[in-house]
Amino acid sequence: QITLKESGPTLVKPTQTLTLTCSFSGISKYSGLGVGWIRQPPGKALEWLALIYWDDDKRYSPSLMNRLTITKDTSKNQVVLTMTNMDPVDTATYYCVSGSLVTSFDSWGQGTLVTVSS
Amino acid sequence: DIQMTQSPSSLSASLGDRVTIPCRASQNIRNYLNWYQQKPGKGPKLLISAASSLQSGVPSRFSGSGSGTDFTLTISNLQPEDFATYYCQQSYSTPVTFGQGTKLEIK
Repeated sequence: QITLKESGPTLVKPTQTLTLTCSFSGISKYSGLGVGWIRQPPGKALEWLALIYWDDDKRYSPSLMNRLTITKDTSKNQVVLTMTNMDPVDTATYYCVSGSLVTSFDSWGQGTLVTVSS
Repeated sequence: DIQMTQSPSSLSASLGDRVTIPCRASQNIRNYLNWYQQKPGKGPKLLISAASSLQSGVPSRFSGSGSGTDFTLTISNLQPEDFATYYCQQSYSTPVTFGQGTKLEIK
């Protein structure tokens, strides 16, 4: 069974950098699955941000890739997302997910709400 | 980017009803279409992948169909736990994109 749990700040100021950590379990390096991030502004739709596979292949949303960095620490079973230059429009619930960009996102964390405000 | 359109944004139905939730892609995505269910305060749950493949543990009253640009999620014999928001998502090309969601409400 795959479990994912997000952690990070609940409040960041405009222009600051957001760092979110996903701690996961139950994902085999032979599964072909990656771990990534999807966000959802309040009352709005889901937006895929980034995904990293076991072989360190990293994929980013083109619209945000200049602000995003995704890394993994396999020894800790963690994936970290950094997003620079935060703006109030980045206020959203950020979900950690497992899956593949060519299939689906089969497991989701509970999400963490990040508010961008001065 | 491929645009996914879900209309209507909300739908009312009664217990025991059969409902269909449509999703349209802005270009041919073959069968690279997934459906998710989201309940308030929770992360989405994958229901159907590859347009019609029911995930393990998902009740058989859920089914998916379609190919190309037009897809449908069908829920038969609506149960109380089915009232939620449903999202479609294309995995044909990057960036993967989601529809705006259809909220299924009790009539």
